[in-house]
Amino acid sequence: NAGVTQTPKFQVLKTGQSMTLQCAQDMNHNSMYWYRQDPGMGLRLIYYSASEGTTDKGEVPNGYNVSRLNKREFSLRLESAAPSQTSVYFCASRDGNQPQHFGDGTRLSIL
Amino acid sequence: SQQGEEDPQALSIQEGENATMNCSYKTSINNLQWYRQNSGRGLVHLILIRSNEREKHSGRLRVTLDTSKKSSSLLITASRAADTASYFCATDAGGYQKVTFGIGTKLQVIP
Repeated sequence: NAGVTQTPKFQVLKTGQSMTLQCAQDMNHNSMYWYRQDPGMGLRLIYYSASEGTTDKGEVPNGYNVSRLNKREFSLRLESAAPSQTSVYFCASRDGNQPQHFGDGTRLSIL
Repeated sequence: SQQGEEDPQALSIQEGENATMNCSYKTSINNLQWYRQNSGRGLVHLILIRSNEREKHSGRLRVTLDTSKKSSSLLITASRAADTASYFCATDAGGYQKVTFGIGTKLQVIP
């Protein structure tokens, strides 16, 4: 099993550019999550999707949009990238109240 | 805001010694989870302890939970160089299926 797959692994953007981070899971999990990880800040929840067709804001949603395309895929979009969005982005999924499964992250730099 | 706060933020020990990491949290929880993150990788779930449990073991890992003090500890016995990683506690308050992570403890095990 691949588990949770994130693409791309690395990306460099210029301020104002847009891009979409992709996430797919093959474990038939209902819930999916997007986090950002910054030094000294731990993981902060950006958006989550408790089930297919629903999305909700997390702790730091400003500047981001998400789409739960189907049960497998949950994408994160930056419409107009800002240097403050330089971070490592992690996608996770889980079933019910079970532990989360994480992808290996997308390292995003915005110049 | 972070629900969990790990202590210490960094820990360096010799191989074979025990490593203890602590986590404090603020609100009532359904369960508390510990994750490990190797450099450049995603988080991997280690152990979950429910709010009605006081202690749980998994191999060389021992987790305790004190809900009256809103704290948990992770003990790694007979540490190995391969245990070098960051360790995060995460609290699950149920409801909206959101999990809140602490900022982590960076453990270095010196061979």
